[in-house]
Amino acid sequence: GESVGLHLPTLSVQEGDNSIINCAYSNSASDYFIWYKQESGKGPQFIIDIRSNMDKRQGQRVTVLLNKTVKHLSLQIAATQPGDSAVYFCADVFSGSARQLTFGSGTQLTVLP
Amino acid sequence: KAGVTQTPRYLIKTRGQQVTLSCSPISGHRSVSWYQQTPGQGLQFLFEYFSETQRNKGNFPGRFSGRQFSNSRSEMNVSTLELGDSALYLCASSLTPGRDEKLFFGSGTQLSVL
Repeated sequence: GESVGLHLPTLSVQEGDNSIINCAYSNSASDYFIWYKQESGKGPQFIIDIRSNMDKRQGQRVTVLLNKTVKHLSLQIAATQPGDSAVYFCADVFSGSARQLTFGSGTQLTVLP
Repeated sequence: KAGVTQTPRYLIKTRGQQVTLSCSPISGHRSVSWYQQTPGQGLQFLFEYFSETQRNKGNFPGRFSGRQFSNSRSEMNVSTLELGDSALYLCASSLTPGRDEKLFFGSGTQLSVL
């Protein structure tokens, strides 16, 4: 079946450094991608999204890059803060389908003081 | 504005029993989706409801069912519980089921099957 996977299960960064979280997807028909953040004891929280007609989108301290050629997207967090410690998921939606998000396995980001 | 509310927060059941989980979406949201989260399988789509109709269903056995009421509140039911049903069940709501509509998740119901 189709899958959206993450390259690294854990990532530790120093406070103030930039973080990069990667995600690979397998369905070439996916045309909408979302990053979620999940803190302990809470549900996933929307961070940023990107459509397949874009290759970059910026938000507040976050940037998502999409490379459709290699079916890869990344989430960049600038000046990582302790509050950024969480599990980050990417998700994709197949074009032409009713909405059904396929989530990756998640990356645990730990921000070190 | 209150977020997505799921009840109960924790639930312990034994094999063979059935369970009903409840979800109240954000006020004005008419679409409700359910996801199962486990350490091994991650987040998996269960089903989505809009205007009291199931629009989409994931790859789960028929023991998993749901419904939506006229006030958009939703319930999901799992019958004949198995140990593997232990998971965090997440409900998410959005204004409509549009593909680009942002999903807002609740904090989930942690189900433990003994």
